[in-house]
Amino acid sequence: EVQLVESGGGLVQPGRSLKLSCAASGFTFSNYYMAWVRQAPKKGLEWVATISTSGSRTYYPDSVKGRFTISRDNAKSSLYLQMNSLKSEDTATYYCARHSPEADWFAYWGQGTLVTVSS
Amino acid sequence: DVVLTQSPATLSVTPGERISLSCRASESVDTYLHWYQQKPNESPRLLIKYASQSISGIPSRFSGSGSGTDFTLSINGVELEDLSIYYCQQGNSLPYTFGAGTKLELK
Repeated sequence: EVQLVESGGGLVQPGRSLKLSCAASGFTFSNYYMAWVRQAPKKGLEWVATISTSGSRTYYPDSVKGRFTISRDNAKSSLYLQMNSLKSEDTATYYCARHSPEADWFAYWGQGTLVTVSS
Repeated sequence: DVVLTQSPATLSVTPGERISLSCRASESVDTYLHWYQQKPNESPRLLIKYASQSISGIPSRFSGSGSGTDFTLSINGVELEDLSIYYCQQGNSLPYTFGAGTKLELK
């Protein structure tokens, strides 16, 4: 059974940093692109980042490019999201997601971790 | 960026009826259009991939159609457990984008 368990969320002040983690199990982690998708309170879904199987390629929307960094440790079956210069509009539940083999849709989702950016 | 417009924003339904939800793209996404269901306080789950391809474990009452810019998710015989928010997502080009969602509520 595929399992994705996020951790690391919490309350953080604007301008500060936070690092999220996702522990994966139930599949060969190194074979799949992985992603982060977020959802602001009572709002829709927004793709945040994608990383290739080896970690050599990363992709971001303009809203987080230059502030967020996605990374992975295949030996630990873990995915990370380093978030810097946080803004109030980054407040959201952050989901770890496994991409499809074609890497253009999201096959499995974690339960999410809430990040609140507020002073 | 590809903008996905979902309509209606909210749909009031009666159990047993057949309904259709719309997703329109601002430019062609071919069939790289996927549908997700999000129940209250749960993570999203995939319902339909590539506009019309079914997913293992998803009830057969869910179906999808369309290509290019116009897509439809249909539920043939709505059940109470289907009261959720439905999102479309395009995977044709980066950035991946989602529609704002259609909420199904009980009439």
